Amino acid sequence: GESVGLHLPTLSVQEGDNSIINCAYSNSASDYFIWYKQESGKGPQFIIDIRSNMDKRQGQRVTVLLNKTVKHLSLQIAATQPGDSAVYFCAENKGGTASKLTFGTGTRLQVTL
Amino acid sequence: DSGVTQTPKHLITATGQRVTLRCSPRSGDLSVYWYQQSLDQGLQFLIQYYNGEERAKGNILERFSAQQFPDLHSELNLSSLELGDSALYFCASSVMAVRANSPLHFGNGTRLTVT
Repeated sequence: GESVGLHLPTLSVQEGDNSIINCAYSNSASDYFIWYKQESGKGPQFIIDIRSNMDKRQGQRVTVLLNKTVKHLSLQIAATQPGDSAVYFCAENKGGTASKLTFGTGTRLQVTL
Repeated sequence: DSGVTQTPKHLITATGQRVTLRCSPRSGDLSVYWYQQSLDQGLQFLIQYYNGEERAKGNILERFSAQQFPDLHSELNLSSLELGDSALYFCASSVMAVRANSPLHFGNGTRLTVT
């Protein structure tokens, strides 16, 4: 993919299994978090977001968990499909303006058949 | 499809030259953001415009500038290009009411290669 760095952590999962992608964020004042998916040759695609007054949010086949105590965010993908193969980024926003959106380095998800 | 349109998709130019990247935001979005993505730096915020006005600056070089026009499209101008400016440049847009969190929606980027 067109994503970040030569040393992206990679998660390899089998088709049909659940995937869990983790992210440690840096700023305890961050109050809004987003997960993005980036496929090769494309821009980051919004998956799901969560505000700091929540600890869990569910979407279609995806769940985001937020643990503010340890500044940890995770993305769970149920029944992982080949089309889920991509680089996943978490992003955090400190304050009320999205201009402060800070992206993590990304995790590459490889789905094996 | 995010609804954000970026042109051109690819740009190859020489050092010292100047280029202009163009972005049309999603219908109804007032904010436009520019990000640079390179292999060793990840996604770096450059600049944000809201309804025609510059709202925030990130790690944008003085050789780079941007503007947002009355029809809300935006252009990113890169001048005196260096080899290190080779990267993917993404535009994103959001509804962005002031002091409200809203997700950014990204275009598919412009790949700039400086030779």
